[in-house]
Amino acid sequence: DVKVTQSSRYLVKRTGEKVFLECVQDMDHENMFWYRQDPGLGLRLIYFSYDVKMKEKGDIPEGYSVSREKKERFSLILESASTNQTSMYLCASLGQGNGPNNSPLHFGNGTRLTVT
Amino acid sequence: TQLLEQSPQFLSIQEGENLTVYCNSSSVFSSLQWYRQEPGEGPVLLVTVVTGGEVKKLKRLTFQFGDARKDSSLHITAAQPGDTGLYLCAGALNSGGYQKVTFGTGTKLQVIP
Repeated sequence: DVKVTQSSRYLVKRTGEKVFLECVQDMDHENMFWYRQDPGLGLRLIYFSYDVKMKEKGDIPEGYSVSREKKERFSLILESASTNQTSMYLCASLGQGNGPNNSPLHFGNGTRLTVT
Repeated sequence: TQLLEQSPQFLSIQEGENLTVYCNSSSVFSSLQWYRQEPGEGPVLLVTVVTGGEVKKLKRLTFQFGDARKDSSLHITAAQPGDTGLYLCAGALNSGGYQKVTFGTGTKLQVIP
């Protein structure tokens, strides 16, 4: 079974702090994604990566950056946290092959970040 | 701008009733998936539809992909309390040799015993 592990379930940070959200997957998946989830907005894609050291902007990349130095790890970075970045953050991985046509995204359990 | 719009946003029904959730977009997707998410957990895949007009059934759940591959629906027959959760559609777009997966706005379903 694929396991996607997010390092923290809950995180409280102050405005202006640099925040790292870590995600590790154990299935050698090429693709990894970071989403944020807010009520009424579903999941919005922040960044994704289809290979080591490769990254692509999603729909809402502003205020975020990412790092993919190793295949199994995909980090989301908030350079200077702001209150509007308070949200649930979900990491997901996806194998290559047939892509989403035949494979599900595998999600972690999320990190609930509060910025005060 | 949300690429995928779901309706309704909230639904509260009695056990045994039927319901339909819609997922609409102006974009054409290579495939569309439906997920269910329970509190404190990540979304879990229910089904993937690939071909325009495709219909898939999963027990009491029926999923349909629109002919033009821009929209989808999820119909639940005789809803049970165990169906309670957040339902999310997700569309896959092939872009530059990789897959970009975009989610809908979500439908929160509550089934009352």
